[in-house]
Amino acid sequence: GENVEQHPSTLSVQEGDSAVIKCTYSDSASNYFPWYKQELGKRPQLIIDIRSNVGEKKDQRIAVTLNKTAKHFSLHITETQPEDSAVYFCAANSGGGADGLTFGKGTHLIIQP
Amino acid sequence: NAGVTQTPKFQVLKTGQSMTLQCAQDMNHEYMSWYRQDPGMGLRLIHYSVGAGITDQGEVPNGYNVSRSTTEDFPLRLLSAAPSQTSVYFCASRAGLAGTDTQYFGPGTRLTVL
Repeated sequence: GENVEQHPSTLSVQEGDSAVIKCTYSDSASNYFPWYKQELGKRPQLIIDIRSNVGEKKDQRIAVTLNKTAKHFSLHITETQPEDSAVYFCAANSGGGADGLTFGKGTHLIIQP
Repeated sequence: NAGVTQTPKFQVLKTGQSMTLQCAQDMNHEYMSWYRQDPGMGLRLIHYSVGAGITDQGEVPNGYNVSRSTTEDFPLRLLSAAPSQTSVYFCASRAGLAGTDTQYFGPGTRLTVL
């Protein structure tokens, strides 16, 4: 089955700087890569996703890049703000799609004032 | 739309007790699933369903049962609770069976087994 590795586990950046979180996956048939943000005690919320027919997708301060050859994808947050502090999870679907998402173990992003 | 709802929000059980975690969605989604979230482990798939009457196992199915009698509801049953099942449980749904559809999560149930 799919295996997703996520790094780093903790990331501390100064407010206004950029943050990058990286993930790798194992199943070459995977074609959907969402990113979720989870605040303490809350449900995971989708912030951006990418499908394998594109290499990059941007939504205001958030962008995701995908390299299918290398089997890795990354989340980029620019001009970080205190409200960006949270745990971020990457995920990938299995090739068949029916059996759900495989998640990375999460990155705790800390925005230092 | 209420989206994906779960009850209860919190539950404490004793070892060996049974209980059912409820999940419902009002978006007419075909696909529903259950995940558990443990510290440092991300979310792991327990069971999923691609429609009424159809269920299948995920990565960590042992100790859990599911059924899908309607499109809206997907309850998760713990037959004999164990401390290892202490976790936060999230139900999720998506519109279609394609793995590229957006998945939406419920608010979660925090379960403690003593």
